[in-house]
Amino acid sequence: NAGVMQNPRHLVRRRGQEARLRCSPMKGHSHVYWYRQLPEEGLKFMVYLQKENIIDESGMPKERFSAEFPKEGPSILRIQQVVRGDSAAYFCASSPQSSGRLLNEQFFGPGTRLTVL
Amino acid sequence: AQSVTQPDIHITVSEGASLELRCNYSYGATPYLFWYVQSPGQGLQLLLKYFSGDTLVQGIKGFEAEFKRSQSSFNLRKPSVHWSDAAEYFCAVGAGGYGNKLVFGAGTILRVKS
Repeated sequence: NAGVMQNPRHLVRRRGQEARLRCSPMKGHSHVYWYRQLPEEGLKFMVYLQKENIIDESGMPKERFSAEFPKEGPSILRIQQVVRGDSAAYFCASSPQSSGRLLNEQFFGPGTRLTVL
Repeated sequence: AQSVTQPDIHITVSEGASLELRCNYSYGATPYLFWYVQSPGQGLQLLLKYFSGDTLVQGIKGFEAEFKRSQSSFNLRKPSVHWSDAAEYFCAVGAGGYGNKLVFGAGTILRVKS
């Protein structure tokens, strides 16, 4: 069973360009989470999605950032008009279907390291 | 708001020595608590988790953690450290409606000297 896949692993963009980060969850997982890790900091929650639904986007910046998890295909984190401050590692995690208040473990991908020149 | 504090940014221990990494959390309800490990350039791997029940939790790679509600702590321990344990360790609490939003501490970098 393949783990969480993220691509690309490294992405370089110039200021003002768009960045698209992809995440394929583990087989059978219907929940996806995106986290951002700035240099020398812990991970910060960005967004929590289920298929075709955004459940919690309380950690997403108000502008330029969007996320989707379509019925078919990977989850996409999109950053428009990137700025230097967007340089970070972006991690995706997935978990299986929740049942009531039982919290399921999140399995993390290897991350995408975005560098904005 | 939920928060996690890891007071030690760096810790250096000798190989074979015991290890304790500190974690304090702030959360109103019964917390879901986790310890993750991250090797350089890699993603996070779950070491152990606490949801309820026995407050001493066993994890992978010989790690354990003890939940102490009175101290709002969830410290990670290992009796004998191996050089391969050198990595960064993150404590996290599950927040949000179903605890699915992980709030991480800033991490503790562990160095192991031979």
